[in-house]
Amino acid sequence: DAGVIQSPRHEVTEMGQEVTLRCKPISGHDYLFWYRQTMMRGLELLIYFNNNVPIDDSGMPEDRFSAKMPNASFSTLKIQPSEPRDSAVYFCASSFPLAGGLRNEQFFGPGTRLTVL
Amino acid sequence: KNQVEQSPQSLIILEGKNCTLQCNYTVSPFSNLRWYKQDTGRGPVSLTIMTFSENTKSNGRYTATLDADTKQSSLHITASQLSDSASYICVVSASSSYKLIFGSGTRLLVRP
Repeated sequence: DAGVIQSPRHEVTEMGQEVTLRCKPISGHDYLFWYRQTMMRGLELLIYFNNNVPIDDSGMPEDRFSAKMPNASFSTLKIQPSEPRDSAVYFCASSFPLAGGLRNEQFFGPGTRLTVL
Repeated sequence: KNQVEQSPQSLIILEGKNCTLQCNYTVSPFSNLRWYKQDTGRGPVSLTIMTFSENTKSNGRYTATLDADTKQSSLHITASQLSDSASYICVVSASSSYKLIFGSGTRLLVRP
């Protein structure tokens, strides 16, 4: 398996533009997570899905952010309109279902570095 | 409030030397603690995962310890290599939840 795949790896856009980040989780993983990482705040969970259904979106900063998972192999995170303070690295991660050992290890993608000018 | 604190913020050591990174947490109820390594420009990769009953876990030259009573963990790196240069992030999971609480990380630089 190629691991979690994210695209694009880098995105530079101007304030006000729409940005769409894409993620393909590891095949067979039922959970998908979107994170944002900045120097100031570290890694923050934005939203996560189970079986394509959003479970917790309390980390989504504003209505400008939205995420979808139309099927088990694809998810998008959209920012519309984008602002300079959205500049960060956005990671997607996926995981097996919780097991008896409660290990729920999450496998991270390489991230998308977003710069909003 | 659930929090994970790491120290030091950054560390520079010479190749071949050992080092220990610290993590204190106030997450309750505790489920498991993991250490991630994040190379520059890449996503975090899990090194070790420990539950309440585990005191130590090794992964090659990396050894993690956990003291659930004092809510402290450490990551010991033996015979450091240049490739160990990275950020090391302590992450705690509360009560079987998928929500992870991340520390701010320790940035390690190994010099030749």
